[in-house]
Amino acid sequence: DAKTTQPNSMESNEEEPVHLPCNHSTISGTDYIHWYRQLPSQGPEYVIHGLTSNVNNRMASLAIAEDRKSSTLILHRATLRDAAVYYCILRGQSNFGNEKLTFGTGTRLTIIP
Amino acid sequence: ETGVTQSPTHLIKTRGQQVTLRCSSQSGHNTVSWYQQALGQGPQFIFQYYREEENGRGNFPPRFSGLQFPNYSSELNVNALELDDSALYLCASSLWLGPYNEQFFGPGTRLTVL
Repeated sequence: DAKTTQPNSMESNEEEPVHLPCNHSTISGTDYIHWYRQLPSQGPEYVIHGLTSNVNNRMASLAIAEDRKSSTLILHRATLRDAAVYYCILRGQSNFGNEKLTFGTGTRLTIIP
Repeated sequence: ETGVTQSPTHLIKTRGQQVTLRCSSQSGHNTVSWYQQALGQGPQFIFQYYREEENGRGNFPPRFSGLQFPNYSSELNVNALELDDSALYLCASSLWLGPYNEQFFGPGTRLTVL
């Protein structure tokens, strides 16, 4: 599995935008970039995914570099409920039905009131 | 529509014992995966089942085994428990479509081995 690199921790003020970076310099052309987050005492939850183009959904935006070697998860207006560990994960073409996610240690996001 | 549920919430066992953890997948999902999450670490993939067949396994010994039932509920069994098996065990269910579908995680079972 291609490796991702994320900062261990980040802080942001409440109601301000947050940019969470992820480096994946060994990404292959068919790898999808996924983001999950894990709130305290909960299982991970899906946030967003993309392949080449920038993506938006109700939770966040995903900006993907043109060479695809890095991406940035953008929370447009952070709230205290966004305090979590954020994981950047690559998923490639694989066996039919293969759902394996390879988690790193993620970025622990702290929101300052 | 109910989400992914797991039971029990917490469990305490002693070294050498056996344990069974249960997961109820989200309705319509055909794949269930199990993960082990040690304190301060990201979840580690144990194995997954697709339509009741094991369809991938991580770097875990054979004493970790599982089952998926026709109603897509699932069990994780761990034999001969060791102290290092103390962790949060997560299951995730999905409807496999490709490397782009989202997975839905349960809240986990916290296992403590004494």
